[in-house]
Amino acid sequence: DQQVKQNSPSLSVQEGRISILNCDYTNSMFDYFLWYKKYPAEGPTFLISISSIKDKNEDGRFTVFLNKSAKHLSLHIVPSQPGDSAVYFCAASWRETSGSRLTFGEGTQLTVNP
Amino acid sequence: GAGVSQTPSNKVTEKGKYVELRCDPISGHTALYWYRQSLGQGPEFLIYFQGTGAADDSGLPNDRFFAVRPEGSVSTLKIQRTERGDSAVYLCASSPWGNEQFFGPGTRLTVL
Repeated sequence: DQQVKQNSPSLSVQEGRISILNCDYTNSMFDYFLWYKKYPAEGPTFLISISSIKDKNEDGRFTVFLNKSAKHLSLHIVPSQPGDSAVYFCAASWRETSGSRLTFGEGTQLTVNP
Repeated sequence: GAGVSQTPSNKVTEKGKYVELRCDPISGHTALYWYRQSLGQGPEFLIYFQGTGAADDSGLPNDRFFAVRPEGSVSTLKIQRTERGDSAVYLCASSPWGNEQFFGPGTRLTVL
């Protein structure tokens, strides 16, 4: 069963506009959520995270929103830049088990057009 | 400082052969994870080490897969009798004990 889902395989936005990437999860035990960015031939790079006790976390151009009742989180990138073009993975963990092993979504390919 | 490194970056082998994939974590990181990423999918958990011991190996697909971390630093993922379905990118990550995991570039394994 896919416990973390990213339903949009791709997203294309114009430079300077907002990018919104979405993620849904099913396991209510998850208490920590992360976004990773991945360029081709590289490993995933940590971007931003949020604990389940919060509903928003902001870091520069990146903001993650968490809606626990809907089991939904989103990543907002404002303003989007061409260098943001990459695959974005949503991940979730349950910190009390297995040293916070991550469960990943399928990824969303973001393309920011100049 | 140095990040997580993995060797080799690419490995091509024949069905039935044995392979070893190596991971050098960030110095001082006690937690080490192996994941496998198939084409078009997100990484899937394989095994987690805390120090030298495998704290959770529930993600290993079958007994052809084994991993060690004898001195609590470098780890080796071992695959016996490789099958074409084992072809994937194998990712290693380390963590100082927390939620953010730092990934290496991966080893692309191709089984012919």
